[in-house]
Amino acid sequence: KAGVTQTPRYLIKTRGQQVTLSCSPISGHRSVSWYQQTPGQGLQFLFEYFSETQRNKGNFPGRFSGRQFSNSRSEMNVSTLELGDSALYLCASSPGNSGNTIYFGEGSWLTVV
Amino acid sequence: DQQVKQNSPSLSVQEGRISILNCDYTNSMFDYFLWYKKYPAEGPTFLISISSIKDKNEDGRFTVFLNKSAKHLSLHIVPSQPGDSAVYFCAAIVGGNEKLTFGTGTRLTIIP
Repeated sequence: KAGVTQTPRYLIKTRGQQVTLSCSPISGHRSVSWYQQTPGQGLQFLFEYFSETQRNKGNFPGRFSGRQFSNSRSEMNVSTLELGDSALYLCASSPGNSGNTIYFGEGSWLTVV
Repeated sequence: DQQVKQNSPSLSVQEGRISILNCDYTNSMFDYFLWYKKYPAEGPTFLISISSIKDKNEDGRFTVFLNKSAKHLSLHIVPSQPGDSAVYFCAAIVGGNEKLTFGTGTRLTIIP
């Protein structure tokens, strides 16, 4: 059974640009969440999508957005990139019912220069 | 406000001995807890979880204990192996919600 797949793994962007990251959840999983990991702030929740609807949202500015497609694949977008957006962005997948294990992908390393 | 805390940033344990990683939480609404192991530049790997209706869950070398009255959980690894060297995160969920609230992590080093 394939795990959570994230693309791209590494990317470098310039301040002011925008970026789109992609995530394919485990087959059959309907919930996809996104997290940001930085040295200073640790692992922080961005948002969660379930059946194409945003179900939960963390405390991030509106520059961070996401969506989920009918096949449960998800994308997150960051617009007007800032240096502080440099981080490891992690996608997590689960069936979507509470009490289930949540599995993570390998992450997308974003560097903003 | 840090709702999940791992007060030990680092821990060193001799190979073969027991590793005990601790986690405290403040939100009494948390009812499901998970432990993850993480290497640099990789995603967290799920280790073990526990529901708030239990006080212990065991899986191979890993055992998680939950003390709800103290709002404390711990992960025991026995015996510790060199491959266990990594950063360990505890995380908590409020029922009906898929949002993980993570602790700050504990770097475990197993000394051969």
